[in-house]
Parts: sequence; C-alpha cells; structure tokens
Amino acid sequence: DIVMTQSPSSLAVSAGETVTINCKSSQSLFGSVRQKNYLAWYQQKPGQSPKLLIYLASTRESGVPDRFIGSGSGTDFTLTISSVQAEDLANYYCQQYYDTPYTFGAGTKLELK
Amino acid sequence: EVQLQQSGAELVKPGASVKLSCKTSGYTFSNYYMSWLKQMPGQNIEWIGNIYGGNGGTGYNQKFKGKATLTVDKSSSTAYMDLSSLTSEDSAVYFCARNYYSGAPFAYWGQGTLVTVSS
Repeated sequence: DIVMTQSPSSLAVSAGETVTINCKSSQSLFGSVRQKNYLAWYQQKPGQSPKLLIYLASTRESGVPDRFIGSGSGTDFTLTISSVQAEDLANYYCQQYYDTPYTFGAGTKLELK
Repeated sequence: EVQLQQSGAELVKPGASVKLSCKTSGYTFSNYYMSWLKQMPGQNIEWIGNIYGGNGGTGYNQKFKGKATLTVDKSSSTAYMDLSSLTSEDSAVYFCARNYYSGAPFAYWGQGTLVTVSS
C-alpha cells in the first residue's frame, strides 16, 4: 500500500496568515500516461463529510477559493492556504488515487491561535 | 444535482452484522463506481472498497476483505455495505463517496453513517 505522511498534524494560525501543509507519499504518484500526479486534498469540518479542494495535485475544484493552492510532484506535495480565514479552520487530508487501495494522510488540524 | 443519502445511525451489539445504505440521485447509477470509506473518531480516513453500479463488480482493500461486503440495487440506485462480526474496532463513521470517473478522487460524499458497536 502507498503510505501518505502528512505534516504537521496540527497548526495554530491567526486570520490573514499563510499556512503550508505537507504530504509525502511512499512512492511516486506521477502517472506516465497522462503525465499527471494523482494526489487530492480535502477539507473536513467537524460533523461534515470531506470536501474535495484540489485534484491532480494542483487543479482547484470548481467553487474553491483561489487562496487554496496545491503544488508538488512525484512524492512531495504541498497545500498552501494564503490569507487564512475563520471559515478555513478544519482538518485537511491528502489522498493518493494512483493505485488501490486509495490511501489518505493522517490529517492536519488547522486551529485558531 | 448528484446526491448521496445514507441511512441513519446504528447501535449494534458485538458479534452482530449491520447493513448500511447509500441512496443516490441526480446521475446514472449504472455508469459509476461507488466507494465506501471508514473514519474512526478523530482519525484517518480508510478506503474500504468500491463497487460498479452497472454490474456489481467489486474491489476491496485487503484489510476489509471478510469484514465488508458491497452490493448494489440498480432498480433503486442504491449501494449497500454489509459489515459482519462487529467489534469495537468497527465503531466509526462510514461514508459512501463517488468520483467524477473511474480513477478520480471523491467529488461527491454521503453525509456519513455512525455505527456504534456496544453491548
């Protein structure tokens, strides 16, 4: 199975700050056929289902604010949230869909400082 | 609009089984895979497996083989997951989720079903 290692596990921020969440996979998620990285980011608020934010490592899902930026390739990926707003306080998960079983990182909890 | 409506919370005794449902609307059920995922309180999300709405073909995470059985009812556009021989380790929220196409991430999620295993 592909292991997804996410860091940090929690992050305390003030509104307006820029934050970075890291995700490392145990093997490359780069598909040679489509030349894409099969990595997604989700946001989950308490009591809710996860919400897809980013797919193919850097493509923003429709309706997701442009302050959410995904980057990286191969085994190392980053989610950057610029100018964090109160509504962004949530848990964030990376997920690989390069191969089954699909696997998720352990999550990063974004909290208010 | 794609919608996934899951069945309500379950309280079940150790050793028992439970069947969860995920009723869909807003798309052609037969054309897509449905996945099931597990999230224990405050913990990671695990992919249990998926099932194709067209022919019921399944793929399972090895970890959940023997624990979960996925089925579909095309006539009602509903996916089901049976969980057997329940223990406290099966207490979790279970989600059904669908992707845009095979091999894509999960764009649509049900609201989740809380399963509590307790005597």
